[in-house]
Parts: sequence; C-alpha cells; structure tokens
Amino acid sequence: DQQVKQNSPSLSVQEGRISILNCDYTNSMFDYFLWYKKYPAEGPTFLISISSIKDKNEDGRFTVFLNKSAKHLSLHIVPSQPGDSAVYFCAVAYGGSQGNLIFGKGTKLSVKP
Amino acid sequence: DAMVIQNPRYQVTQFGKPVTLSCSQTLNHNVMYWYQQKSSQAPKLLFHYYDKDFNNEADTPDNFQSRRPNTSFCFLDIRSPGLGDAAMYLCATSRALPSGGETQYFGPGTRLLVL
Repeated sequence: DQQVKQNSPSLSVQEGRISILNCDYTNSMFDYFLWYKKYPAEGPTFLISISSIKDKNEDGRFTVFLNKSAKHLSLHIVPSQPGDSAVYFCAVAYGGSQGNLIFGKGTKLSVKP
Repeated sequence: DAMVIQNPRYQVTQFGKPVTLSCSQTLNHNVMYWYQQKSSQAPKLLFHYYDKDFNNEADTPDNFQSRRPNTSFCFLDIRSPGLGDAAMYLCATSRALPSGGETQYFGPGTRLLVL
C-alpha cells in the first residue's frame, strides 16, 4: 500500500497561471513534508518543506500547504513559468532516529508558454 | 560544482553478472542513501549509512549490498542482477536523518540495464 499518493500523474498549466500539485498521505505520525523537483537526466532537487507544526510555508513563488486533519499536502506555484516544467515528488519523513523519506510517484508538470 | 557524483551514468550488465555502482560526495555529509526508482514509480529507499552504521530497509532483497569505505564514497553492489533490477539508482546524502528537517541532496542517478 502506498503511504504517499500523488494521484495526478501529470498536470498542464498555462504560463502565468497557478499550478497546484497535490499529495495525500496515510500515516498521521509523519511529521515532516517535502517537495522535490526533478528535471530529465538529473537527480531530484529539494524545493520546499514544512513541518507538522505549521500549515503553510512560503518561498518566493512556491507555497506549501499542510492540512493535517485531511492528511493532505499541496504545492502552489504562482505564477507558473516554463522553467517550472519538471516532475514534482512529494516526500514525507517520519520521526525517530531511523527516520527516512518516503516518496510519492511524482506529478509531471508542463507549463506552456 | 558537483556535490553528489554518480558513476557511471548508464550501466549495462548481463543477467547474473555482478555489478557495482558508485557514488561520491563533496559535502562531507554523515548520511548516504541508495534509492531504486523504476519507471513511473516513487524512489524506493534500499538502505542508508549513518557514518559507518549500515541500515537496511526490511524489504530490500539480499541481492543488494552496500559498502562505505570512507565518508566520501558509497557503493551499491548487485550480486546477481535480474531483469527486474533494471532501474534508475539514485544516491543521496544529508547531514543528518530527514526526520530532523535535513534536506537530502541527490546525484543524477545511474540507469542500469540488465540484458
């Protein structure tokens, strides 16, 4: 069973508009949430994160929202740019000294000029 | 400046022939990870090293082994590759484990093809 679900394999958005990428998780014990961005032929790169004590974190055009009661995470990109076209992975970390990341399958974002 | 380097970028091996993938880092991070990513799937953690301490995920096949001879290098050994082991293998590093809010830095990956 997937513990982290990104139900939209792909998303297409017009340049300048908002991109909203969604992620759902199953375990309420997860306490740290991250988004990674991956271009073709490159490894994933860290984009933005949020801890479970917050419900919003903003960094420039990127904002992550956390709804703990719904076990739902979203990434908003405003305004979207063609350079944002990539695969976006949601990842969660669970606490404890052996905590590691669990990734979703990713959503491929295409931003059209 | 490359921070997490994986060699080679593409590796072709034969069914059952041992293969080693390598990863090096210039970040002096304590933790190094190996992930397996199959097409359209999530990266799946195989194991990680915290310094010299090796931590294997419960569902990682015995066919997969790892070595970390020093802080900078980590190797993934596949003893007898099967067709199902064809995948992208990603190496990552972090200063500490991610539950403390540490970011993982990924290499570009090695794509393994098993013939």
